[in-house]
Amino acid sequence: SSELTQDPAVSVALGQTVRITCQGDSLRSYSASWYQQKSGQAPVFVIHGENNRPSGIPDRFSGSSSGNTASLTITGAQAEDEADYYCNSRDSSGNHVVFGGGTKVTVL
Amino acid sequence: QVQLQESGPGLVKPSETLSLTCAVSGYSISSYYWSWIRQTPGKGLEWIGNIYYSGNTNYNPSLKSRVTMSVDTSKNQVSLKLRSVTAADTAVYYCARWSISMVRGVSRHWFDPWGQGTLVTVSS
Repeated sequence: SSELTQDPAVSVALGQTVRITCQGDSLRSYSASWYQQKSGQAPVFVIHGENNRPSGIPDRFSGSSSGNTASLTITGAQAEDEADYYCNSRDSSGNHVVFGGGTKVTVL
Repeated sequence: QVQLQESGPGLVKPSETLSLTCAVSGYSISSYYWSWIRQTPGKGLEWIGNIYYSGNTNYNPSLKSRVTMSVDTSKNQVSLKLRSVTAADTAVYYCARWSISMVRGVSRHWFDPWGQGTLVTVSS
């Protein structure tokens, strides 16, 4: 089992806001990064920390963190945002890397 | 623009060794860390390990006894070997560049970019 826990699925109406959460003790010490994976494609880096997005990622994607929970928020979700989203950070020892189990986002 | 391309046999027999190569273009591998990540069919992502261009490695404890990563700076590529494979090792294998930074005392890391991935099936 993963040391980072994500809800398996979440849905959002087109144009509305959705928050995807990632929980784990290691998040108290280490920042999370987030990845979007569309069906049949490789994961794509979306954000790390609050606003550290690579070029090409829209600013409707934002990150936050509080205590043992990291969050990815999509403000004004678009149809093309429908995908699996994975969080990533260190494990509780800090020595290794772990992924959350992923959250499937459906845009209605 | 950095591009990564995985290659290797798509079919490996049980108990044999899975060998993959990640060719890096547009950037020298002689900086940053490089990683292997896999995804079993219909499942989530699993980190296999990281390697620095100097050869320093860090492996997933659950795979450490079977994994070897290496770098070839002359070819600008990174390699993965996974020994004694079973059907449970059937997965899409990705390579990715791993970046690390310290921001206001907090360690941050991220994988970017990723290769397109290569499916490896373990079957007799």
